[in-house]
Amino acid sequence: QKEVEQDPGPLSVPEGAIVSLNCTYSNSAFQYFMWYRQYSRKGPELLMYTYSSGNKEDGRFTAQVDKSSKYISLFIRDSQPSDSATYLCALIKAAGNKLTFGGGTRVLVKP
Amino acid sequence: GAVVSQHPSWVICKSGTSVKIECRSLDFQATTMFWYRQFPKQSLMLMATSNEGSKATYEQGVEKDKFLINHASLTLSTLTVTSAHPEDSSFYICSARDGWEATDTQYFGPGTRLTVL
Repeated sequence: QKEVEQDPGPLSVPEGAIVSLNCTYSNSAFQYFMWYRQYSRKGPELLMYTYSSGNKEDGRFTAQVDKSSKYISLFIRDSQPSDSATYLCALIKAAGNKLTFGGGTRVLVKP
Repeated sequence: GAVVSQHPSWVICKSGTSVKIECRSLDFQATTMFWYRQFPKQSLMLMATSNEGSKATYEQGVEKDKFLINHASLTLSTLTVTSAHPEDSSFYICSARDGWEATDTQYFGPGTRLTVL
């Protein structure tokens, strides 16, 4: 079983809709949570970083962490075609030194 | 934001040859650099972690003699794929971290697509 599970999609939504992405993890040692966006044939770019349970908002993006359920989410409001990309969750353990990535969810926002 | 470059962006080579990929942090000093490998429609798999001036730490299952990593300065790390074979064809991505803490931001390069014929 993978340490971090993420639905690969693809997730297709109409422009303007809310995109809902999530990851689950099995090891409670994970304490830091990040979301990256990766366009095709490009490197990932950091979108959000959280470390506590609850919500964190940045513009159209909201990251949600539920440590008790080992479940993290990313919501994208008012989605745009330019949001079409693969979204990867990445987690770090409390005493760790590296990112553990989910498999990524491919998102397609249709005009 | 911080910029990480990779060179070349794509390379095609014959089986048995060696290929060197460079990773540079352009506007910051990277205490730690990471090398990842990504197959089509799959996630990033960490290959190794390197700190400037010391030997790289390889992940389990990664052949250190095949994937040579050199982190000669705070702005440059290189990955050399030695005696490349078609199964080494992949997308290789580096990242550079601008601090010592695991939670310091990793900035990713644009990736290098390697095709071994």
